Amino acid sequence: EVQLVESGGGLVQPGGSLKVSCGASGFTFSSSSMSWVRQAPGEGLEWVASIQKDGSEKYYADSVMGRFTISRDNAKNSLYLQMNSLRAEDTAVYYCARDGDDYRLCVYWGQGTLVTVSS
Amino acid sequence: QTVVTQEPSLTVSPGGTVTLTCASSTGGVTSGHHANWFQQKPGLAPRALIHSTVNKHSWTPARFSGSLLGGKAALTLSGVQPEDEAEYYCSLFSGAAWVFGGGTKLTVL
Repeated sequence: EVQLVESGGGLVQPGGSLKVSCGASGFTFSSSSMSWVRQAPGEGLEWVASIQKDGSEKYYADSVMGRFTISRDNAKNSLYLQMNSLRAEDTAVYYCARDGDDYRLCVYWGQGTLVTVSS
Repeated sequence: QTVVTQEPSLTVSPGGTVTLTCASSTGGVTSGHHANWFQQKPGLAPRALIHSTVNKHSWTPARFSGSLLGGKAALTLSGVQPEDEAEYYCSLFSGAAWVFGGGTKLTVL
């Protein structure tokens, strides 16, 4: 069974940094591209970033480019999102998702971790 | 950046048929946008329904189908069930990035 478990969310001040993590199990992590998607309270889904299987290619939404960094550790079956220069509008539930081949976006999802940016 | 537009809300009767659409601000949606569709119920993570415009995942009920319709991606539900009441999101691939639509709230009434 595919399992994705996010952690590391919490309250952070504007301008601050936070790193959220996603632990994966039930599949060959190193064979899957991965994505982060967020959802602000009461709002829709927003794609944040994706990373290829070996971490060689990374893609970002314009809204987070230059502030967020997606990374992975295939030896630890883990996905990360380093978030810097956080703004109030970054407040959201952050979902980790496993992509499939051939443009299958977010086939499996974690339950999400809440990041709140507030003073 | 591309803006993806969906109907904000739709209402359908149980047993009926409804089509949700997904439009791109940059022009007609094609197979090259690799449209994906997701269902989300309150308090839960989204669930993938359709990938690559027309392909179902193994768990997707047969009453759900994806297509291209009039320059948009479309999700059609035939024989709607009460449990289909949910928010539905499409996502299009454009310029090495994915863009989600704002979602369609489907009410079964």
